[in-house]
Amino acid sequence: DAGVIQSPRHEVTEMGQEVTLRCKPISGHDYLFWYRQTMMRGLELLIYFNNNVPIDDSGMPEDRFSAKMPNASFSTLKIQPSEPRDSAVYFCASSTDRDTEAFFGQGTRLTVV
Amino acid sequence: AQSVAQPEDQVNVAEGNPLTVKCTYSVSGNPYLFWYVQYPNRGLQFLLKYITGDNLVKGSYGFEAEFNKSQTSFHLKKPSALVSDSALYFCAVRALSGYSTLTFGKGTMLLVSP
Repeated sequence: DAGVIQSPRHEVTEMGQEVTLRCKPISGHDYLFWYRQTMMRGLELLIYFNNNVPIDDSGMPEDRFSAKMPNASFSTLKIQPSEPRDSAVYFCASSTDRDTEAFFGQGTRLTVV
Repeated sequence: AQSVAQPEDQVNVAEGNPLTVKCTYSVSGNPYLFWYVQYPNRGLQFLLKYITGDNLVKGSYGFEAEFNKSQTSFHLKKPSALVSDSALYFCAVRALSGYSTLTFGKGTMLLVSP
């Protein structure tokens, strides 16, 4: 397996634009996590899914953020409208269950100008 | 609420010397503890975990960690550091029971000099 695949690797967008981040988890992994990493706040869990169903979205900062998992092999994190303070590295991770180690993608570095 | 403290932003060690990266935690009940490593421009990679059993856990790349329940610590160690160990290290915890998710520390940058 190629591991968790995220796209794009880098995204630069203007404030107010919609941004969509994509993730393909490892096949057979039932859990998918979206994290955000910044210097100030470290690594924060935004939302996680189990069997394509959102379980906990309490980490989603505000209504501008939304995440979907239409099937077991694909998830998106959307920010609309984007703001400069959304600039961060966004990671997707997957695991076979909640208690096993998660495998992380390489991340998407988002810059909102 | 659960939390993780990594008291050192950076640890410097010479190649060949032993290294320790500190982690203390707070959680209700028994903990489930992890260490991850992040190399530049990469995602986090799993190093090791502790659930129950032997307090000394061995992981990838020669790393090990010692669980100390009385001190609520889970320090990462390696007997002999390599320059290639230079990276950002994260400790994470969650309660063994219940439905909480992992809480990560802010990370400790390890710099190993030749």
